[in-house]
Amino acid sequence: EVQLVESGGGLVTPGGSLRLSCAASGFTFSDAWMTWVRQAPGKGLEWVGRIKSKIDGGTTDYAAPVKGRFTISRDDSKNTLYLQIYSLKIEDTAVYYCTTSRGYWGQGTLVTVSS
Amino acid sequence: QTVVTQEPSLTVSPGGTVTLTCASSTGAVTSGHYPSWFQQKPGQAPRALIYSTGNKHSWTPARFSGSLLGGKAALTLSGVQPEDEADYYCLLYYGGAGVFGGGTKVTVL
Repeated sequence: EVQLVESGGGLVTPGGSLRLSCAASGFTFSDAWMTWVRQAPGKGLEWVGRIKSKIDGGTTDYAAPVKGRFTISRDDSKNTLYLQIYSLKIEDTAVYYCTTSRGYWGQGTLVTVSS
Repeated sequence: QTVVTQEPSLTVSPGGTVTLTCASSTGAVTSGHYPSWFQQKPGQAPRALIYSTGNKHSWTPARFSGSLLGGKAALTLSGVQPEDEADYYCLLYYGGAGVFGGGTKVTVL
């Protein structure tokens, strides 16, 4: 059974940093292109960024609003995807989901940015 | 900034058919945008339905189908069931970066 479990969310003050994790199981993680998607409260889905598998180059792409502040990485030895967020803004408040290229989604982790 | 546009809301009767569309501000949507579709019900994570225009995941009900229609990506629900009431999002890729549409709220009434 495929499982994606996000963690690392919580309450953070503006300007702070946070690292989200997504633990994967039930599939060959190293072969998968992984994506982060977020959803602000009561709003639609927003594509955040993606990392390709290492065999496909391991490169990353980011949405324009987060480029330079968000960094996606992966540790294939731990079957874990990461999202490092710097200089957090109030508008980064959202549920952050990790997803696979095969259509699987985690349940999300809530990040709240507030003073 | 690229904008992906969906109908804000649509209403369909049980057993009926409804088509949702997904338009790009850059012009016609093609297979090169790798259109995909997702369903989200209140309080739940999104669920992938369609990828690369018209391909279904193993869990996608047969009544859902994806296509290109008149320069847009389209998701057609045939024989709509009450449980299909949900928000539906399309996703298009522009080079390496993806952009979601604003979502369509489908009401089954």
